[in-house]
Amino acid sequence: DAGVIQSPRHEVTEMGQEVTLRCKPISGHDYLFWYRQTMMRGLELLIYFNNNVPIDDSGMPEDRFSAKMPNASFSTLKIQPSEPRDSAVYFCASTLWGDNEQFFGPGTRLTVL
Amino acid sequence: QQQVKQSPQSLIVQKGGISIINCAYENTAFDYFPWYQQFPGKGPALLIAIRPDVSEKKEGRFTISFNKSAKQFSLHIMDSQPGDSATYFCAPKPNDYKLSFGAGTTVTVRA
Repeated sequence: DAGVIQSPRHEVTEMGQEVTLRCKPISGHDYLFWYRQTMMRGLELLIYFNNNVPIDDSGMPEDRFSAKMPNASFSTLKIQPSEPRDSAVYFCASTLWGDNEQFFGPGTRLTVL
Repeated sequence: QQQVKQSPQSLIVQKGGISIINCAYENTAFDYFPWYQQFPGKGPALLIAIRPDVSEKKEGRFTISFNKSAKQFSLHIMDSQPGDSATYFCAPKPNDYKLSFGAGTTVTVRA
């Protein structure tokens, strides 16, 4: 069984560059979440989608962050322009309507120099 | 802003010992109380969860105790094993999909 797939696993970029993180949820899941994990702030929910529609983006830090879900099997989180304080591990998770368990991907470790 | 307070930040336990992690919450709308386990380099994974209509749930060596009046719930790891060394998060939520993660507890089990 394929779990949540994220790419790339590691990304190193320079300040000011555009960064795109990718996620493929578990097949059949209709909820998709993007989280950010840092030592200072812990695990934070950034945004979540239901049936490809953004439901709550109140956790998105600022306009430099955007997320899309063009279809049920693919989502992107984009940071433009990136800043050193965006360095973190970004997780994607998915679940099925009515299921409380969220299934997390392996994460993308982003380093902005 | 902080809805969930988790303690301790870290703990060290001998193999075979008991690990206890606590979580206090403010939001009375929470109706699902899970614990997630995270190993280094991996995403969190659900370990065990409880609904507020029961006070305790046991799954193998892992037990959740829930105290609704005190707005607290705890994770007990019995007979701790080196493979239990990980970071544990409480992550309660109301009747939607927004988990509120605690700060995490790093558990180290000494062989």
